[in-house]
Amino acid sequence: NAGVTQTPKFRVLKTGQSMTLLCAQDMNHEYMYWYRQDPGMGLRLIHYSVGEGTTAKGEVPDGYNVSRLKKQNFLLGLESAAPSQTSVYFCASSYFGQGNYEQYFGPGTRLTVT
Amino acid sequence: RKEVEQDPGPFNVPEGATVAFNCTYSNSASQSFFWYRQDCRKEPKLLMSVYSSGNEDGRFTAQLNRASQYISLLIRDSKLSDSATYLCVVVSSGSARQLTFGSGTQLTVLP
Repeated sequence: NAGVTQTPKFRVLKTGQSMTLLCAQDMNHEYMYWYRQDPGMGLRLIHYSVGEGTTAKGEVPDGYNVSRLKKQNFLLGLESAAPSQTSVYFCASSYFGQGNYEQYFGPGTRLTVT
Repeated sequence: RKEVEQDPGPFNVPEGATVAFNCTYSNSASQSFFWYRQDCRKEPKLLMSVYSSGNEDGRFTAQLNRASQYISLLIRDSKLSDSATYLCVVVSSGSARQLTFGSGTQLTVLP
């Protein structure tokens, strides 16, 4: 049981390049989330999904797109990377159960845009 | 005003000390509250939930004051392994179970 995994772990992009971050979970969770974490800012929600085939915007969605074609995978895309997108990106998932709000996080992807 | 505010610290305490962290939240409709722990360059992990009646888990005690919109975490008999950043987390109403994170309080326990 791997939990939540993220690929890649590290990446350096040049301004204007595109990339996709992959998140996978093997816990059969309904909900999945993408966050970014910047110094002094805490984690901020980019996009989330409440089930296969559905996505929604979070607090800071601009410059990112997501897709959830399979229940276990949640992809985060950067179409044209900007230096402001330099950050640590965390994926998380959670179970649907009543009153259960615990989110399980992946190890993170450290992205630098030059 | 940030939705969840924490004192960023850092808190540097000797082993065995008692340390308390505070957190305030602005949305009075917030329903659930948690403390997460994040080790350096690692992912956040749930430490404990926070209930109105207060709850304790070993050396850790969490308290919630809904009237003052205030959450606290008390760590007794600090261990070196408690060194981490502690994140205050609030769940607002809604079906998407969105968590709002404070920016974290950094704790270093010194030998």
